[in-house]
Amino acid sequence: GDSVTQMEGPVTLSEEAFLTINCTYTATGYPSLFWYVQYPGEGLQLLLKATKADDKGSNKGFEATYRKETTSFHLEKGSVQVSDSAVYFCALRGQAGTALIFGKGTTLSVSS
Amino acid sequence: NAGVTQTPKFQVLKTGQSMTLQCAQDMNHNSMYWYRQDPGMGLRLIYYSASEGTTDKGEVPNGYNVSRLNKREFSLRLESAAPSQTSVYFCASRSGGTGETQYFGPGTRLLVL
Repeated sequence: GDSVTQMEGPVTLSEEAFLTINCTYTATGYPSLFWYVQYPGEGLQLLLKATKADDKGSNKGFEATYRKETTSFHLEKGSVQVSDSAVYFCALRGQAGTALIFGKGTTLSVSS
Repeated sequence: NAGVTQTPKFQVLKTGQSMTLQCAQDMNHNSMYWYRQDPGMGLRLIYYSASEGTTDKGEVPNGYNVSRLNKREFSLRLESAAPSQTSVYFCASRSGGTGETQYFGPGTRLLVL
């Protein structure tokens, strides 16, 4: 079945460092791909998404490109801030699916 | 718009007790979902409802029942709570289409003693 694998955390960075969180997926056809963010004590918020191959999703300085050839959707940000400290989830929805399938989440901690 | 709302925010139960988690959305969405979040496990789908009047099992349905009361409301019931059901429960909704955004509620923290 469909699945998502994302890098284990926690990821600890200094402010203004470059961030990459790896995400790969297994799915038939052409799934839609998502990154969600969860701040402490809150629900999940959509960060960005891409619905077809080579699409780039972007929001708040974060970017991810839908790579069909490597089945990947890595999250990047050029300069992280303390306020980016959160748990990040990669997710997919298959062509025939209705619910999202999530990775296990990656905790990011940014210090000043 | 309140989006997706959940009640209660926090609940403590004793083993064997029952309770219902409530969820409502005001975005006129067709599909609604219940997930549980456990440390190191990500979010796992319990049940979902693709449209009013329909419900289907997800990955971890055992020990739970759901009711899609109307288009707005989707409740999750624990008939006989077990310590393994200690978790954070999230409700979500979506309008339709595979690329459409899924919106989440703030969550219910449940502790079963």
